[in-house]
Amino acid sequence: GNSVTQMEGPVTLSEEAFLTINCTYTATGYPSLFWYVQYPGEGLQLLLKATKADDKGSNKGFEATYRKETTSFHLEKGSVQVSDSAVYFCALSFRGGGADGLTFGKGTHLIIQP
Amino acid sequence: DAGITQSPRHKVTETGTPVTLRCHQTENHRYMYWYRQDPGHGLRLIHYSYGVKDTDKGEVSDGYSVSRSKTEDFLLTLESATSSQTSVYFCAISDGTGSQPQHFGDGTRLSIL
Repeated sequence: GNSVTQMEGPVTLSEEAFLTINCTYTATGYPSLFWYVQYPGEGLQLLLKATKADDKGSNKGFEATYRKETTSFHLEKGSVQVSDSAVYFCALSFRGGGADGLTFGKGTHLIIQP
Repeated sequence: DAGITQSPRHKVTETGTPVTLRCHQTENHRYMYWYRQDPGHGLRLIHYSYGVKDTDKGEVSDGYSVSRSKTEDFLLTLESATSSQTSVYFCAISDGTGSQPQHFGDGTRLSIL
């Protein structure tokens, strides 16, 4: 079956540091890939997405590139802020979030210290 | 923000009691989903619906049932709650077209004592 593996953390960084959260997937075929973010006490918000190989998703300074050859979708940000502290989820879907639902990684708790 | 309302937002109940969680959407989206979120597991799909009265099981459907009598409402029922069903439950919606993502509600925190 499909699966997503991501570093679980917590990941603790200082403000303005460079961020990488690794995400790899196992799937038959070529899924759409997503990063969601969850702030304390809230639901999940879509951060960015990519639907085919070599696509780069970007939003709010975050980026991730769909790498088919390494089945990866690593999340990066050049300079993190305290407000980026949250839990980040990598996810995949074969119908863009339609009938099949999303398969999630376990989430990475990110803590940014001032 | 997508118009998704989950109710109740918090509930504490006892083992063996029935529990129903409600998800209401104002987006007229075809697809609706119920997930549970547990530490160390991320989110796991319980059930989903692809139209009125059309539902199917997800990864962790045992002990849960769902109903969708109207496009806007998707109910999740625990017929006889167990402590293992203590979790945070999220509803999500999608129009299911192309690569459109799912949009999530704010969650229901359910504690079963």
